[in-house]
Amino acid sequence: DAGVTQSPTHLIKTRGQQVTLRCSPISGHKSVSWYQQVLGQGPQFIFQYYEKEERGRGNFPDRFSARQFPNYSSELNVNALLLGDSALYLCASSLGVGGGDGYTFGSGTRLTVV
Amino acid sequence: GEDVEQSLFLSVREGDSSVINCTYTDSSSTYLYWYKQEPGAGLQLLTYIFSNMDMKQDQRLTVLLNKKDKHLSLRIADTQTGDSAIYFCAERGTGGFKTIFGAGTRLFVKA
Repeated sequence: DAGVTQSPTHLIKTRGQQVTLRCSPISGHKSVSWYQQVLGQGPQFIFQYYEKEERGRGNFPDRFSARQFPNYSSELNVNALLLGDSALYLCASSLGVGGGDGYTFGSGTRLTVV
Repeated sequence: GEDVEQSLFLSVREGDSSVINCTYTDSSSTYLYWYKQEPGAGLQLLTYIFSNMDMKQDQRLTVLLNKKDKHLSLRIADTQTGDSAIYFCAERGTGGFKTIFGAGTRLFVKA
């Protein structure tokens, strides 16, 4: 069974551009969460989606948005990119809405903003 | 607010035990986790403990939870060079929809 898959693996964008990151959860997992990991820090929560509805949002500006599709895959969109958006973006899937038994993470998308 | 703190570095010799410590602030945390991250990879769930437990053992891993002091530790027995990685402590917050991570402890294992 495939794990959590994210695409692309690496991305370079210019300030002001927009980016879309994609995630496919483990088969059967209905919850997808997005995290941002800046170099040297722990992951910071951005969004959680469950059954196609936003269930939680972290302390990120409105430039960040996401959605979940009927097949439970998800996209994270970031508009008007800033240099500070350079980070590893991690997608995590879990069976239920709270992820009580822990997440399964993808390998991430490394975004570099220049 | 919710916060998780852990020391940044730990160095041990191969074959010794490693103990990584963590403190958290959310007294209503329900689950506490340990994740491992190797270079260039995502995070891998190692183990977790429910807040009404004091200890959990899983092969070489032992998790101890002191809920009164809001202190969590991970002991790795017979540490191997392959255990070199960053270890993240995390807690599931009161809202139930997000997990709060510490900054990670980088474990160096010397042969």
